[in-house]
Amino acid sequence: GAVVSQHPSRVICKSGTSVKIECRSLDFQATTMFWYRQFPKKSLMLMATSNEGSKATYEQGVEKDKFLINHASLTLSTLTVTSAHPEDSSFYICSAPAGGMTDTQYFGPGTRLTVL
Amino acid sequence: GQQVMQIPQYQHVQEGEDFTTYCNSSTTLSNIQWYKQRPGGHPVFLIQLVKSGEVKKQKRLTFQFGEAKKNSSLHITATQTTDVGTYFCGAGAQKLVFGQGTRLTINP
Repeated sequence: GAVVSQHPSRVICKSGTSVKIECRSLDFQATTMFWYRQFPKKSLMLMATSNEGSKATYEQGVEKDKFLINHASLTLSTLTVTSAHPEDSSFYICSAPAGGMTDTQYFGPGTRLTVL
Repeated sequence: GQQVMQIPQYQHVQEGEDFTTYCNSSTTLSNIQWYKQRPGGHPVFLIQLVKSGEVKKQKRLTFQFGEAKKNSSLHITATQTTDVGTYFCGAGAQKLVFGQGTRLTINP
């Protein structure tokens, strides 16, 4: 099946710093990627849709200035958590549809962010 | 927006017992997808259902899509310890909205 990678897998940072998370589709092109956030033992919450060549679409309640998304190419989307605070600590997962109108989603392995 | 409700939130069974998780929506769904997330892992695609009344099987797993395309279920027959994890349903074309997930734990 299609492979999506995410980097880094784990990051610990100090409060006030910015953290960049990369999501790559390794063997297919993705004009659209999705970013999710997952709290412990909770479901995946869609944060935003990353669109290659245009602005990301954010879900209601997600601060676009806080979570910057850049879809630099057909295989790379980045999520930057700006001025991170402890409440931003979470598991961030990206996904990419592998083709078709009703696409299955291929998920990256996730990035666990801990803000001290 | 589209919402799917999933129950139960947790299920603990003895190994060998059956397990079922249900997803329900107030609106007609174009499709429904099922994912499994092992503890510490990421969601992995299991199956997609598109047709009304569709039933698909994968070994001990049986997936159903309701006639009205508003509900779906995942049934595992004779659970094994490898079935442990959280099962999520997701609905929507491209942009998936997930149910709350059902966390399955198994007593060996």
